[in-house]
Amino acid sequence: DGGITQSPKYLFRKEGQNVTLSCEQNLNHDAMYWYRQDPGQGLRLIYYSQIVNDFQKGDIAEGYSVSREKKESFPLTVTSAQKNPTAFYLCASSTSSDSLYGYTFGSGTRLTVV
Amino acid sequence: SQQGEEDPQALSIQEGENATMNCSYKTSINNLQWYRQNSGRGLVHLILIRSNEREKHSGRLRVTLDTSKKSSSLLITASRAADTASYFCATDATGNQFYFGTGTSLTVIP
Repeated sequence: DGGITQSPKYLFRKEGQNVTLSCEQNLNHDAMYWYRQDPGQGLRLIYYSQIVNDFQKGDIAEGYSVSREKKESFPLTVTSAQKNPTAFYLCASSTSSDSLYGYTFGSGTRLTVV
Repeated sequence: SQQGEEDPQALSIQEGENATMNCSYKTSINNLQWYRQNSGRGLVHLILIRSNEREKHSGRLRVTLDTSKKSSSLLITASRAADTASYFCATDATGNQFYFGTGTSLTVIP
C-alpha cells in the first residue's frame, strides 16, 4: 500500500538535544510538507519542499531544519534553538506544488520535552 | 494571515442528524479543501472545491463555496458515531501551500 510513514510515533527529548523526525513516502509525490499542531489549534507550516534538493521556510521555521536528498524522504530536525518543541508533528505530501488533489498525511509524531 | 477560521469550534449532535460547519477566510483563493482528523492521528483529505465551483458532493458530504463572502460550509448528512472527529478547512492562494484553520470538533452521540 502506498502512503506516508512517520517515525517514531512518540519521541522524548531532553533540554538542549537535537532530534530528527523521519518522514518517508512511496507515493511518488513531488511535494512534501512539515506541519506542527498544538492542542486545540490548527496546523502551522514549518517547511515545505517541491523538488529534491530544494525546500522553503514556512511560517514557523525558526529552530527547525530539513533536508530533501531523496524524493521519498523529508526528515525534520528539531534543534535546541526551538524553545517550545512539545507538539504533534505531521508530515504530508502531494502530487504537485499546486496541490489540486489534496495532501496525504502521515499519522504523526508526538514530541515531548522532558 | 490567510488562515481559515472554522465555526463552531465544537459541535455535538445525535446520530442521524445533519452536521454543518463553516469556514471563513481572508484573501482570495484558488482552492479550498476539507480534512478530517481523528484524535491523535493524521489528517484525511475529504473534498476539494475550486474557486469557480459553488457546490460539490461526495457521498454524505456536501461542500459549498461562496467566494463573495469568502466562506465555505461542510454538511455531513445522516451522521454516524464514526464521524466523530475534528474537521479542518484549508485554503491556498499561491498554490504552493495550504493554510489550515483551527478546526471544528464534532461529536456524534450514538
